[in-house]
Amino acid sequence: EERLVESGGGLVKPGESLRLSCEASGFTFSEAWMSWVRQAPGKGLEWVGRIKSKALGEMTHYAAPVKGRFTISRDDSENTLYLQMNSLKTDDTAMYYCTTERGRTGGAFDIWGQGTIVTVSS
Amino acid sequence: DIVMTQSPDSLAVSLGERATINCESSQSVLYNGNNKNYLAWYQQKPGQPPKLLIYWASTRESGVPDRFSGSESGTHFTLTISSLQAEDVAVYYCQQYYSSPPWTFGQGTRVEIK
Repeated sequence: EERLVESGGGLVKPGESLRLSCEASGFTFSEAWMSWVRQAPGKGLEWVGRIKSKALGEMTHYAAPVKGRFTISRDDSENTLYLQMNSLKTDDTAMYYCTTERGRTGGAFDIWGQGTIVTVSS
Repeated sequence: DIVMTQSPDSLAVSLGERATINCESSQSVLYNGNNKNYLAWYQQKPGQPPKLLIYWASTRESGVPDRFSGSESGTHFTLTISSLQAEDVAVYYCQQYYSSPPWTFGQGTRVEIK
């Protein structure tokens, strides 16, 4: 079964840091391009950023609201995706999902984790 | 950035009736190399992550019931549920993944039972 499991969420104060993890199983993680998508409480979906495969240099892209504060990385030996979040703001409060962009769908997000909740509050 | 605009924001449909959700992109998401629109539809039920329903505007994901269909006309896209079932109550999102990021979603359409 293809699966993604996020962890690492929690309650932090503005300005603090947090690192989210996403463990993959059931598919060839090393070949998959991976994205993070977030959803603020009661709001819609917002793409956060993406990392390509190692074969493509692990190139990253970020949404404007998080560029310079968030960093996506991957460890293919551990089948794990990471999201390092620094200088957190209250607007970063959301459910964070990891998801896959795979060639068979042209890049649509076909596998989603259950998400991990990040709350930024003083 | 490509802006995705869905309509309506919500709709109520009787069981067994048709539900139609619209999505407009601010620019073309058609890749001329393969003549495919890079447009996806997702379903999100309360307390669950989104689920991919349709990709390339009209290709149904494996396991998705055939009452769900996607269509396209230029920059206008439609998700149709041909005969609404109780389990289809959800919020539906369109998303473009054309060319290069940022990927963008529509604001969502809530579907309820009338």
